[in-house]
Amino acid sequence: GQNIDQPTEMTATEGAIVQINCTYQTSGFNGLFWYQQHAGEAPTFLSYNVLDGLEEKGRFSSFLSRSKGYSYLLLKELQMKDSASYLCAVRTGGFKTIFGAGTRLFVKA
Amino acid sequence: DTAVSQTPKYLVTQMGNDKSIKCEQNLGHDTMYWYKQDSKKFLKIMFSYNNKELIINETVPNRFSPKSPDKAHLNLHINSLELGDSAVYFCASSQTGQAMVDTQYFGPGTRLTVL
Repeated sequence: GQNIDQPTEMTATEGAIVQINCTYQTSGFNGLFWYQQHAGEAPTFLSYNVLDGLEEKGRFSSFLSRSKGYSYLLLKELQMKDSASYLCAVRTGGFKTIFGAGTRLFVKA
Repeated sequence: DTAVSQTPKYLVTQMGNDKSIKCEQNLGHDTMYWYKQDSKKFLKIMFSYNNKELIINETVPNRFSPKSPDKAHLNLHINSLELGDSAVYFCASSQTGQAMVDTQYFGPGTRLTVL
């Protein structure tokens, strides 16, 4: 079957670093996405990994290990506006992308 | 300027009614999607069209019928609405192809409430 696991909720302090983990078991793998979704809004694209390793984009970085079926999203210098849900998604093949349930991140002052 | 637009943004209706949600994208993408996000925030694929052809049809009641008049539009019609259909429905689009990162761009969502 297809399964994507991520923690339900996390809390971190403004200015800190937080790592959101994602593990997946899918039939086929053609890349892993991270999306950010603020409450009441649409998901927006953050990052994409298809090869093992770290992709850095400003305050956000994403890591992938295909052999372990594992990814993480690293958020540095947290800001209050980073409070949102973070969705891990795997493109399994063809045109199908499966989303995890999302991790709700609360950033406190 | 809006890349992916949906109408209506909010839809409140009675059980048993039939309703439609419209989606349009001006990004020139060739693939469009419908997702359902329930109260637990789980985003689940329902349908996908590539160049007007249905390519993904998940286990969805046949009360739900998508229609793609052209590759820029994907509408969703729902017959005989039930309480469990209450959710936020997101339309999305992407440019697909083996060499492409098919990042999906989402519409603002349609919050459907069935009473």
